[in-house]
Amino acid sequence: DADVTQTPRNRITKTGKRIMLECSQTKGHDRMYWYRQDPGLGLRLIYYSFDVKDINKGEISDGYSVSRQAQAKFSLSLESAIPNQTALYFCATSDRDSYEQYFGPGTRLTVT
Amino acid sequence: RKEVEQDPGPFNVPEGATVAFNCTYSNSASQSFFWYRQDCRKEPKLLMSVYSSGNEDGRFTAQLNRASQYISLLIRDSKLSDSATYLCVVNMAVRGGTSYGKLTFGQGTILTVHP
Repeated sequence: DADVTQTPRNRITKTGKRIMLECSQTKGHDRMYWYRQDPGLGLRLIYYSFDVKDINKGEISDGYSVSRQAQAKFSLSLESAIPNQTALYFCATSDRDSYEQYFGPGTRLTVT
Repeated sequence: RKEVEQDPGPFNVPEGATVAFNCTYSNSASQSFFWYRQDCRKEPKLLMSVYSSGNEDGRFTAQLNRASQYISLLIRDSKLSDSATYLCVVNMAVRGGTSYGKLTFGQGTILTVHP
């Protein structure tokens, strides 16, 4: 079984809709991250959480919100989706004493 | 200027070739450096960390030049399975700092190894 899972894996939605992407991990890591990946722009950090009560904005948080429901769960929401939020979204986790991040398989989101 | 810059390629090399990728970073306070590998439509995975003295892992050699703010990855005896995107990654935090663990990714260098 995968250590970091994301649901859904693919989603097509319309402009203005609310959508939630979910991430779960069984690695026991405290730290979780949400990134988006766009062609030519690499991975960009949206939000990160160093523990359940510590949530921080990344470099591109506008238009997104997150919820850390438990150590193992970190959700990303788009309150009102717009077409330029079409991207590949990755969740990642890391242990507090390590720089290595473990990524989920990604969610491909298309906003029409 | 981007915080982490890479030549996007693509690099197209024959099997057995040696290929090198370069990466520059803008923040001189950067503390830790890594190369991640990403296969097409897959998640990134850590390939290797980059240490100040340089380090080797089989066919892969990573080097760091702090004075020039420059990181490199050398792949010797390329295999078909090395075809992927290679991501240069930098951590600018110090251990114990509030941003410890945040990584900044370059846009990636595409490598294709052909028979």
